[in-house]
Amino acid sequence: DAGVTQSPTHLIKTRGQQVTLRCSPKSGHDTVSWYQQALGQGPQFIFQYYEEEERQRGNFPDRFSGHQFPNYSSELNVNALLLGDSALYLCASSILSGTGFPQPQHFGDGTRLSIL
Amino acid sequence: DQQVKQNSPSLSVQEGRISILNCDYTNSMFDYFLWYKKYPAEGPTFLISISSIKDKNEDGRFTVFLNKSAKHLSLHIVPSQPGDSAVYFCAASRSGGYQKVTFGTGTKLQVIP
Repeated sequence: DAGVTQSPTHLIKTRGQQVTLRCSPKSGHDTVSWYQQALGQGPQFIFQYYEEEERQRGNFPDRFSGHQFPNYSSELNVNALLLGDSALYLCASSILSGTGFPQPQHFGDGTRLSIL
Repeated sequence: DQQVKQNSPSLSVQEGRISILNCDYTNSMFDYFLWYKKYPAEGPTFLISISSIKDKNEDGRFTVFLNKSAKHLSLHIVPSQPGDSAVYFCAASRSGGYQKVTFGTGTKLQVIP
């Protein structure tokens, strides 16, 4: 049973460019969340997708956008890259729990994005 | 605004002894708390959780305690093993529907053989 897979594992871009990161959720999961983890920090919530719509969003500018496909996989797009966007980008999947307590998220190993 | 705080960036413990990792939160709306473990070059792995209706949850060597009045939780690992050496993240969210999980900055645990 494959867990959460992310691609690519590493990426180098220059300022002003655009980037797309990809995520396949764990089998059976319907919800995908994206996080940014800067060096020495905890993961920061970017947004969450369910049924192909953005359902929750953290404090990130509109340069960060996403998409979820009918097969539940997801993309994170970042436009007009800044040096400060250099970080590990983590994708996490889970099952939407409705009104109950949240189901724990399963994380991929991340994409390391470096901006030159 | 750091709503989930882990004030100890690192902790060293002898193998076989107890490891205690602490976490404080400020948002009283949080009612579900989790601990994740992260090894280098891997994504975080879920370890244990607790809801606000409980004050303790155990899973094998791992126990999480929640003190709602103090907005404080702790993770106890007994006995500690070298394989427990990792970064531990405390996280919090609200129940119901779509979850926005807030993570702390992590505590790096080193278990010395």
